[in-house]
Amino acid sequence: ETGVTQSPTHLIKTRGQQVTLRCSSQSGHNTVSWYQQALGQGPQFIFQYYREEENGRGNFPPRFSGLQFPNYSSELNVNALELDDSALYLCASSSGGVSGNTIYFGEGSWLTVV
Amino acid sequence: AQKVTQAQTEISVVEKEDVTLDCVYETRDTTYYLFWYKQPPSGELVFLIRRNSFDEQNEISGRYSWNFQKSTSSFNFTITASQVVDSAVYFCALRQGGSEKLVFGKGTKLTVNP
Repeated sequence: ETGVTQSPTHLIKTRGQQVTLRCSSQSGHNTVSWYQQALGQGPQFIFQYYREEENGRGNFPPRFSGLQFPNYSSELNVNALELDDSALYLCASSSGGVSGNTIYFGEGSWLTVV
Repeated sequence: AQKVTQAQTEISVVEKEDVTLDCVYETRDTTYYLFWYKQPPSGELVFLIRRNSFDEQNEISGRYSWNFQKSTSSFNFTITASQVVDSAVYFCALRQGGSEKLVFGKGTKLTVNP
């Protein structure tokens, strides 16, 4: 148990639709990151939020966006879904922004785009 | 640029065998952090170990041990007396000092057969 919870665990969407994924970070952690993991691949960094501000972004288009709330929970929004967006989306929680502290992951949200 | 290579895509062993998972990393930074995570079929990434670049001491935790060698840029993971419950995909990851993201290898799928 990492204390990082994600919802929903599984969902199916149609191409062109929009999706929102949610994450509650571990107690005491002020930093949330999102990763996309395609089948058979390692997770790829999408972006990080630190104290409600986007703190860094990977190589993902603007239709991937996020929010962090005052309680440090977070949302990942993906607009105009494409088939290639089908993946496991992992939320990660840590403290201290870009410090080297340990990053803890949730169980992920499995997204299928049809 | 930073990169993590896990050359072993899949490994299959019989229970009680020892097994070593290889990890080679590339970074230009002198300050960085290395991690190992375990991913069972459920999807959650389970944190196993974090090591910073200034600490080359090897570590043992029960049946798990890690060998960090800066001279060869390697951070290998050994499971002694493997068990069926060790079956999972194992990821090695690198985080540069001051960076917001983890860079993952492609993972090694370990199957331990009874």
